[in-house]
Amino acid sequence: KQEVTQIPAALSVPEGENLVLNCSFTDSAIYNLQWFRQDPGKGLTSLLLIQSSQREQTSGRLNASLDKSSGRSTLYIAASQPGDSATYLCAVEESSGSRLTFGEGTQLTVNP
Amino acid sequence: DAGVIQSPRHEVTEMGQEVTLRCKPISGHNSLFWYRQTMMRGLELLIYFNNNVPIDDSGMPEDRFSAKMPNASFSTLKIQPSEPRDSAVYFCASRPTSSYNEQFFGPGTRLTVL
Repeated sequence: KQEVTQIPAALSVPEGENLVLNCSFTDSAIYNLQWFRQDPGKGLTSLLLIQSSQREQTSGRLNASLDKSSGRSTLYIAASQPGDSATYLCAVEESSGSRLTFGEGTQLTVNP
Repeated sequence: DAGVIQSPRHEVTEMGQEVTLRCKPISGHNSLFWYRQTMMRGLELLIYFNNNVPIDDSGMPEDRFSAKMPNASFSTLKIQPSEPRDSAVYFCASRPTSSYNEQFFGPGTRLTVL
């Protein structure tokens, strides 16, 4: 059974700092990995999707990397802003059209 | 596009009552997912449909839960009878059929069973 773990569970940083969120998964035979953002009381917003054949994806200040063999992904946020404060979740899809398995998330607070 | 639409946004009911949650996926998306989020268990997949057909319902907790997708633009998740431990936020998500596309989530329904 696939298990997804995110470290740290919570992170508080000053504005402007670069930071890295970590995601690990137990079964490396994944189809893709997706990073989401969830604001309090809201739904999930997709940030980046990395296909199994890719090593990284970038969108603005966000960069996500994937190392299938080691079962790890990182989300790098550059020049953090208070508006980045949210919970970040990673999820893996094991085969085409199948279920997503989510990590428990990292709660990020960026202090002005 | 309005995105995935869920209703109601909030539901408070008493134990034993029937609860029906509704979802309208993004037009053209052929896969639909129902998730439940709690503090204790995080985000869990309950069931998903491809082309209106249930593919994997192994996450449905028990027979009190049922889901239907009568057409490509509508799905329901029903709990009968409801119990306090069903209190959670229920999310619906949809995606196109292409395997590499991400899932798009609705705003969720916050269910409280007293």
